Amino acid sequence: ELKVEQNPLFLSMQEGKNYTIYCNYSTTSDRLYWYRQDPGKSLESLFVLLSNGAVKQEGRLMASLDTKARLSTLHITAAVHDLSATYFCAVDIEGAQKLVFGQGTRLTINP
Amino acid sequence: DTAVSQTPKYLVTQMGNDKSIKCEQNLGHDTMYWYKQDSKKFLKIMFSYNNKELIINETVPNRFSPKSPDKAHLNLHINSLELGDSAVYFCASSVLGGGRTEAFFGQGTRLTVV
Repeated sequence: ELKVEQNPLFLSMQEGKNYTIYCNYSTTSDRLYWYRQDPGKSLESLFVLLSNGAVKQEGRLMASLDTKARLSTLHITAAVHDLSATYFCAVDIEGAQKLVFGQGTRLTINP
Repeated sequence: DTAVSQTPKYLVTQMGNDKSIKCEQNLGHDTMYWYKQDSKKFLKIMFSYNNKELIINETVPNRFSPKSPDKAHLNLHINSLELGDSAVYFCASSVLGGGRTEAFFGQGTRLTVV
């Protein structure tokens, strides 16, 4: 059974700092997704990573995928308060027709 | 012009009642899902439908019965509600094939059973 683990689960950081969220998964897959969820809101798709070595960047967020290590990272550069949210990674396996989510990382950025 | 819309957004009901949540997507997607998010924010798939046919039923109690009248709609009916059913239920849709199943989510239905 596919397991997806994120760490850390909670992250409190100051504005202007850099940090990385890690997403490990247990079964071979080359499709990984990052979502953002604000409190009481839906999940917003951030990045779609579809191959080994894929790197995507949007503003202060950059996501990468290493399928051999079964690892994806979400890097935050010079954090700002607006990035405070819960971030989820999700993995699917071809033919499984579903996404398996990590536990989520609750990110709080303090001024 | 919402892509995936659910109703209601909030639902408070007593134990033992039966309730339904409706979901519609206007993205032209083939596949629709129900996910449950518990109080710890953990998201787990419940059901997956592809072109009105049930694909996945992830050991959900049979008090939960999804119904897909057409590929744009996937409703969730819950019988004999229990306290443990309190959660946020998300509907989602995606395009199958093309090597990706990026899911687009509705706004969620917060179900509170009292």
